[in-house]
Amino acid sequence: AQSVTQPDIHITVSEGASLELRCNYSYGATPYLFWYVQSPGQGLQLLLKYFSGDTLVQGIKGFEAEFKRSQSSFNLRKPSVHWSDAAEYLCGVGATNAGNMLTFGGGTRLMVKP
Amino acid sequence: EPEVTQTPSHQVTQMGQEVILRCVPISNHLYFYWYRQILGQKVEFLVSFYNNEISEKSEIFDDQFSVERPDGSNFTLKIRSTKLEDSAMYFCASSGPGGAQAFFGQGTRLTVV
Repeated sequence: AQSVTQPDIHITVSEGASLELRCNYSYGATPYLFWYVQSPGQGLQLLLKYFSGDTLVQGIKGFEAEFKRSQSSFNLRKPSVHWSDAAEYLCGVGATNAGNMLTFGGGTRLMVKP
Repeated sequence: EPEVTQTPSHQVTQMGQEVILRCVPISNHLYFYWYRQILGQKVEFLVSFYNNEISEKSEIFDDQFSVERPDGSNFTLKIRSTKLEDSAMYFCASSGPGGAQAFFGQGTRLTVV
């Protein structure tokens, strides 16, 4: 069965500082990997995804993530955080077939200090 | 930009009542999903739907749940007899012909009292 672990429940960073959110997954084959952002009372907005190819993927809002197969990780990074980045970040893994279910991690709540 | 639309945004219902949560997926999408998030917990998969039938469902999706695509645009989740523990945010999602990337709606917060 597939599973996702986000080890950090809460992270606080200062505005302008760099950010890395950790995500580890368990999956028997090559997974599809996603990062979503969830603002309070909002739905899930896709930040970026990895299906195949280049292991460093770029997303919206200046985010990037790197797929490391050897570490079963897909960590999300941003070089300089803005106050508007404060939100819940969800890492997800899915199978490669169409219509598959996504399994999400528990999320990391990011707080940004002025 | 096309988006998944869910109505209502918040619904309060009494225990034992039936509720129907409604979703309008993105128009050319073929795969439809329901997820839920109990307050403070993970987003959990409930069911996926393709070609007018359920393609996958989780253990959560028991006999009190059902899904339907009553026409060419709507996708509904029915809970027949709500329990207190059904209180959660319910997210609808859809994905296109390629299938893998899901687009989520804003969610319906269901409160069972």
